Amino acid sequence: AQSVTQLDSQVPVFEEAPVELRCNYSSSVSVYLFWYVQYPNQGLQLLLKYLSGSTLVESINGFEAEFNKSQTSFHLRKPSVHISDTAEYFCAVSDQNAGGTSYGKLTFGQGTILTVHP
Amino acid sequence: DSGVTQTPKHLITATGQRVTLRCSPRSGDLSVYWYQQSLDQGLQFLIQYYNGEERAKGNILERFSAQQFPDLHSELNLSSLELGDSALYFCASSDPPRRYGYTFGSGTRLTVV
Repeated sequence: AQSVTQLDSQVPVFEEAPVELRCNYSSSVSVYLFWYVQYPNQGLQLLLKYLSGSTLVESINGFEAEFNKSQTSFHLRKPSVHISDTAEYFCAVSDQNAGGTSYGKLTFGQGTILTVHP
Repeated sequence: DSGVTQTPKHLITATGQRVTLRCSPRSGDLSVYWYQQSLDQGLQFLIQYYNGEERAKGNILERFSAQQFPDLHSELNLSSLELGDSALYFCASSDPPRRYGYTFGSGTRLTVV
């Protein structure tokens, strides 16, 4: 069974400061890793994903995450945050269904609320 | 617009009633997943369908059922509703592995009164 642990439930930071949201996972098979962001009263938006290849993945709005297989981690970082980054962030892990024709279920962490203060 | 359409956006109903939530996946995606988001349980996987067939089942109550139709849209049926079923229900779709990943709809907020 897969599981995801987001180590911080809330992270307050000041604008333009760096931030790291921590995520650890457990799985017995090869995994795919995702970060989703949820703004208040909205749905889940994909921030970035690791499917294969380079272990460092980046999003278009300055976030990055590094897949560390030995430490089973996929921490999310941003060197300088903006007020608009205030949201809840979810780390998630999945694998493939038997036969490899589809992704398996996506297992989410409990979420980290990032609050950026002016 | 993510490409995954969920209707209705909001639903208010009484205890004991039955409701149907609808999801149209992104064009070309064969898999549909249903999730429940609540304050106490977080994001919980309910069920997955792939090209009309059930692929995986999570913490889905017996009062809940789902299906995926030949046109690939899916419906989640919730019956004998209880106050605790109030939650945000998300649908997601995905393409074959190692391409795009999962795309989520904007959700249906269900309030049971």
